[in-house]
Amino acid sequence: GESVGLHLPTLSVQEGDNSIINCAYSNSASDYFIWYKQESGKGPQFIIDIRSNMDKRQGQRVTVLLNKTVKHLSLQIAATQPGDSAVYFCAEKVGFQKLVFGTGTRLLVSP
Amino acid sequence: EPEVTQTPSHQVTQMGQEVILRCVPISNHLYFYWYRQILGQKVEFLVSFYNNEISEKSEIFDDQFSVERPDGSNFTLKIRSTKLEDSAMYFCASSGGWGGDEQVFGPGTRLTVL
Repeated sequence: GESVGLHLPTLSVQEGDNSIINCAYSNSASDYFIWYKQESGKGPQFIIDIRSNMDKRQGQRVTVLLNKTVKHLSLQIAATQPGDSAVYFCAEKVGFQKLVFGTGTRLLVSP
Repeated sequence: EPEVTQTPSHQVTQMGQEVILRCVPISNHLYFYWYRQILGQKVEFLVSFYNNEISEKSEIFDDQFSVERPDGSNFTLKIRSTKLEDSAMYFCASSGGWGGDEQVFGPGTRLTVL
């Protein structure tokens, strides 16, 4: 049979704006979280990760915030560029090595 | 920069046929994975592999699926008798070595079962 695709939440921003993408995770025992970017027809590409003993981590133009109390993760992208347009997934490590991916958010950046 | 490669990029097969999807993980990595993504859905874990054996598998990974590391560089996923619902993108990933937990994904193989 045919699979019904999930409706992806979409965030539309202008080039140069800051973007914030949110994610709720399910397992309070998870100790490692990752944000991946997926462009059309490609595999997930690592952006940034964070361990549960931290609440913030910064990379180049990206920041990940972790709120363990409410099991919430966010990805902030500064000065968003058209090349940032993609689907963004959060993932949590459950158990030894298994990653559980979230639903994803589509980011659309207009020039 | 080291990368995970996968072949073929697209595989079309008839229902009931066997397929083998191939991956070359990053050379110094020790952990290998297969994930799949049905069109428009999220990425789902299938199996992890370490030290020549399966370390974890999901409920999707039933007896129709098997994995193998036939030599020092390749990692394969075999689907014994494909079903229509096996149509998806299949991603190989690897992690470990001297790094942390980051799983590096390959570009994927699109499997279409007719």
